[in-house]
Amino acid sequence: AQSVTQLDSQVPVFEEAPVELRCNYSSSVSVYLFWYVQYPNQGLQLLLKYLSGSTLVKGINGFEAEFNKSQTSFHLRKPSVHISDTAEYFCAVSVPYSSASKIIFGSGTRLSIRP
Amino acid sequence: DAGVTQSPTHLIKTRGQQVTLRCSPKSGHDTVSWYQQALGQGPQFIFQYYEEEERQRGNFPDRFSGHQFPNYSSELNVNALLLGDSALYLCASSLGRQNTEAFFGQGTRLTVV
Repeated sequence: AQSVTQLDSQVPVFEEAPVELRCNYSSSVSVYLFWYVQYPNQGLQLLLKYLSGSTLVKGINGFEAEFNKSQTSFHLRKPSVHISDTAEYFCAVSVPYSSASKIIFGSGTRLSIRP
Repeated sequence: DAGVTQSPTHLIKTRGQQVTLRCSPKSGHDTVSWYQQALGQGPQFIFQYYEEEERQRGNFPDRFSGHQFPNYSSELNVNALLLGDSALYLCASSLGRQNTEAFFGQGTRLTVV
């Protein structure tokens, strides 16, 4: 079975400061890794994904994440945040080549940006 | 190109009632998955439909059932509603059963009173 742990439930940062949202996963098989963002009263939008290859993945809105297999981590980073980045962020995994492909989500990290 | 569309956007039901939620997948997608997101939590997988069959099911009771139509749209039915069923229900569509990229709808906010 797979599981995802987001280590911080809330992360407050000042505008234009860098931010890192932490994510660790557990799986006995290889997984795909994702970060989704959810703005208030909206669905989920894919920020970025790691399927294979380069461990540094760049996504939309200036976000990037690094896959670390030895530490089973997939932390999300942005060098300079904007007020519009205020949202809930979810780390997630799925198992490739399985009979079905459900996505398993972490509990989320609320990013709040202070002016 | 319309993305994933869900209806209705909001719904209020009474305990014991039944509800049907609807989802139209992104154009070209043939797989639909349903998720329940309780307040302050991450989405939880309910089930996935592919080729009009339920392919995988999460840890949800039989009160939760679904259907996929030949045009790939899908319905989620919940019977005998409980207060604890109040949540945001999200539909995700993808191509095939490999979730290399799933697109989510805006969700249906269900409130059970």
